[in-house]
Amino acid sequence: DAGVIQSPRHEVTEMGQEVTLRCKPISGHDYLFWYRQTMMRGLELLIYFNNNVPIDDSGMPEDRFSAKMPNASFSTLKIQPSEPRDSAVYFCASTTVLGTQYFGPGTRLLVL
Amino acid sequence: DAKTTQPPSMDCAEGRAANLPCNHSTISGNEYVYWYRQIHSQGPQYIIHGLKNNETNEMASLIITEDRKSSTLILPHATLRDTAVYYCIVRAGGRASGSRLTFGEGTQLTVNP
Repeated sequence: DAGVIQSPRHEVTEMGQEVTLRCKPISGHDYLFWYRQTMMRGLELLIYFNNNVPIDDSGMPEDRFSAKMPNASFSTLKIQPSEPRDSAVYFCASTTVLGTQYFGPGTRLLVL
Repeated sequence: DAKTTQPPSMDCAEGRAANLPCNHSTISGNEYVYWYRQIHSQGPQYIIHGLKNNETNEMASLIITEDRKSSTLILPHATLRDTAVYYCIVRAGGRASGSRLTFGEGTQLTVNP
């Protein structure tokens, strides 16, 4: 298995632009998680899905952030409009219930 | 989920055992102890987990005290590639937990030649 796949690996954009991050979980995993990592806040959970349904989005910082999972093999995290403080590494992870979470390589986002 | 306490940093000589402690004094009966590590710029990597018995796999050993209030991750023969931030996480078992993980600040382990 290729593991969790994220794209793009790096993204540089200007403030106010829309940013879309993509994730393909491991086949057969029914949980998908989006995390954000910054020096100030560490690794924090933004939202997670079970069977494509959002279960807990309490970590989403504000309405500029949205996440979708249209099917079992694809999820997006969108920021619109983006701001410099959104600069971070965004990780996607997947697992089965009680299973081990496997993380993707992350997307490094820089908002200028 | 119970909170964990880890030292911010540790050093270890290459080839020696690295023993990383973790306190989780408020752990409850159905909570597991998980260890992940994050090598610079990469996604966190699962190492090992346990409930109350000691566990060993190809990467490490996990020693959990009898009262379950603390644990130690042991890397038996540390190499330079083991330099990473190590996270000790307590996670509730069962479907209600949703398999979520809460990461603290972890321990920066530096393996020196």
